[in-house]
Amino acid sequence: KNQVEQSPQSLIILEGKNCTLQCNYTVSPFSNLRWYKQDTGRGPVSLTIMTFSENTKSNGRYTATLDADTKQSSLHITASQLSDSASYICVVTTLSSYKLIFGSGTRLLVRP
Amino acid sequence: KAGVTQTPRYLIKTRGQQVTLSCSPISGHRSVSWYQQTPGQGLQFLFEYFSETQRNKGNFPGRFSGRQFSNSRSEMNVSTLELGDSALYLCASSLGAGQDSYEQYFGPGTRLTVT
Repeated sequence: KNQVEQSPQSLIILEGKNCTLQCNYTVSPFSNLRWYKQDTGRGPVSLTIMTFSENTKSNGRYTATLDADTKQSSLHITASQLSDSASYICVVTTLSSYKLIFGSGTRLLVRP
Repeated sequence: KAGVTQTPRYLIKTRGQQVTLSCSPISGHRSVSWYQQTPGQGLQFLFEYFSETQRNKGNFPGRFSGRQFSNSRSEMNVSTLELGDSALYLCASSLGAGQDSYEQYFGPGTRLTVT
């Protein structure tokens, strides 16, 4: 069964600290893996998108990595800011049927 | 460039009624996808339209349907509403379809409450 699991479910960090969010998937083969940021009450915003041949992609203070062999991805946030408080969602697109499989998200809270 | 717009933003309906939600994609985008988001289930894919054709469909009952017009605008319809249909319905547009790794841009969503 195609699944995407994220950890931790929630995370609290102090402003200025770094953090890493994890995404494990069983989708195979897959077309691409995306990370989204969703602020409360808003639609998700794309942070990074990686194909199976890419192993790292950066977007400002956000860096996503992908290990297709172990089927793991991580999202690293550097020097966190209060505005980073949001839910972060990992999404994998299947290659065979082009369906999007969503993780349940990690809720991040950055405290001053 | 205007973003993805969804109307209405909020909607209250009664069980058994039907509802139509509208999505206008970013100009030039030909793919529109619909998602349901609930606190318990998270984001779930409903369907994707590309050039007026349904390209992909999630695991939702037939009460959920959609269509796309020649100008790429899309509508989603839910018939015989149930309490469990209460959710945030999100629309996303992209230049191409998912396999081509195009970035998706989400609208603000329509908050549907079924009483």
